[in-house]
Amino acid sequence: AQTVTQSQPEMSVQEAETVTLSCTYDTSESDYYLFWYKQPPSRQMILVIRQEAYKQQNATENRFSVNFQKAAKSFSLKISDSQLGDAAMYFCAYRSEGGGSEKLVFGKGTKLTVNP
Amino acid sequence: DTGVSQNPRHKITKRGQNVTFRCDPISEHNRLYWYRQTLGQGPEFLTYFQNEAQLEKSRLLSDRFSAERPKGSFSTLEIQRTEQGDSAMYLCASSLSAGPTPLHFGNGTRLTVT
Repeated sequence: AQTVTQSQPEMSVQEAETVTLSCTYDTSESDYYLFWYKQPPSRQMILVIRQEAYKQQNATENRFSVNFQKAAKSFSLKISDSQLGDAAMYFCAYRSEGGGSEKLVFGKGTKLTVNP
Repeated sequence: DTGVSQNPRHKITKRGQNVTFRCDPISEHNRLYWYRQTLGQGPEFLTYFQNEAQLEKSRLLSDRFSAERPKGSFSTLEIQRTEQGDSAMYLCASSLSAGPTPLHFGNGTRLTVT
């Protein structure tokens, strides 16, 4: 079974600075998808960024980018120019490609605090 | 796109009672998912529907849990004979297709079993 590990329960960053959140995963599959979701306090979870495992190029969405290391099974999220609105729980998630299972497997999350 | 709607937002019940939650997905989404999230944990998959067919169930979904999606539209999740360990946030999500397509989550229903 696939597992996702986020080793940083909490992180903090100064406004306008850069922070990197770590995520590792374990799988025997070669094709899969990886996601970062953001869950603000008392608000719904939303997608931040996604990466297809077959793509070597790291995904980027505005201030958010990933460092995808397939061989190391690592998928870190970098937030540049941090803003107060970035404060939230961040979850790394894994989804198989094909094979019949469409479930997302989530890590335990990292709570990000942004200090003004 | 009005988003995924879940009702009620909060539910407090006594141990042993039955509860039912409702999820209304985004209208054109044929896939609907239920997750459970406890404090300090990431969401855990419970079950998944494609249209009205329940295609995948987690081992977490004991025989006290049942989910339905009649006519492939809204879905209900029922918990019978609730236990204190059932206290959690129950999240519903929907999507238009599989693979890299993101899930759209609702705000969740927070269940407290006393």
